[in-house]
Amino acid sequence: QKEVEQDPGPLSVPEGAIVSLNCTYSNSAFQYFMWYRQYSRKGPELLMYTYSSGNKEDGRFTAQVDKSSKYISLFIRDSQPSDSATYLCAMIQTGANNLFFGTGTRLTVIP
Amino acid sequence: DVKVTQSSRYLVKRTGEKVFLECVQDMDHENMFWYRQDPGLGLRLIYFSYDVKMKEKGDIPEGYSVSREKKERFSLILESASTNQTSMYLCASSLSQKQYFGPGTRLTVT
Repeated sequence: QKEVEQDPGPLSVPEGAIVSLNCTYSNSAFQYFMWYRQYSRKGPELLMYTYSSGNKEDGRFTAQVDKSSKYISLFIRDSQPSDSATYLCAMIQTGANNLFFGTGTRLTVIP
Repeated sequence: DVKVTQSSRYLVKRTGEKVFLECVQDMDHENMFWYRQDPGLGLRLIYFSYDVKMKEKGDIPEGYSVSREKKERFSLILESASTNQTSMYLCASSLSQKQYFGPGTRLTVT
């Protein structure tokens, strides 16, 4: 079983829709959770960063962590065509150097 | 803003060639990483370094070596390139848990 599982999609939504992207994980020691956005042929860019359980909001993006269920989500409100990208979840234990990544979900927002 | 740069965006090499991929970061980060990214497999860690001249193997180090002579620079070396090393190579540096990536090098080995 992989440490981090992520539905690869692809996911297509109309412009303005609410998008929900999710990851599950197996290691209860993960404490820090991140979402990266990767445009085609570019490197991943850090989008959201959260510690432990709870919600974090940044503009149209909300990251949610439920440690009891080992489940994290990224919500995108009022999705735009410019949100079309691959979204990768990532997580790490306290004191560790290595991130564990999901395989990424490819999102397309249709105008 | 953190800046991580990689020496080439696209590279085409022949089987058996020695290949150098260079990565430079400008934020004085201790940790640097090399990944490869393949469709369906996601990001896989090749090597990382937590200090100058220090290195640790990642999940798939076979066929690769690394060099870190200066804090800002981390090089990935393919000693004898093979076609199964055709991939997107991504360098990252980190401050605490947050990793910042370069633009990637798409390497094709023919």
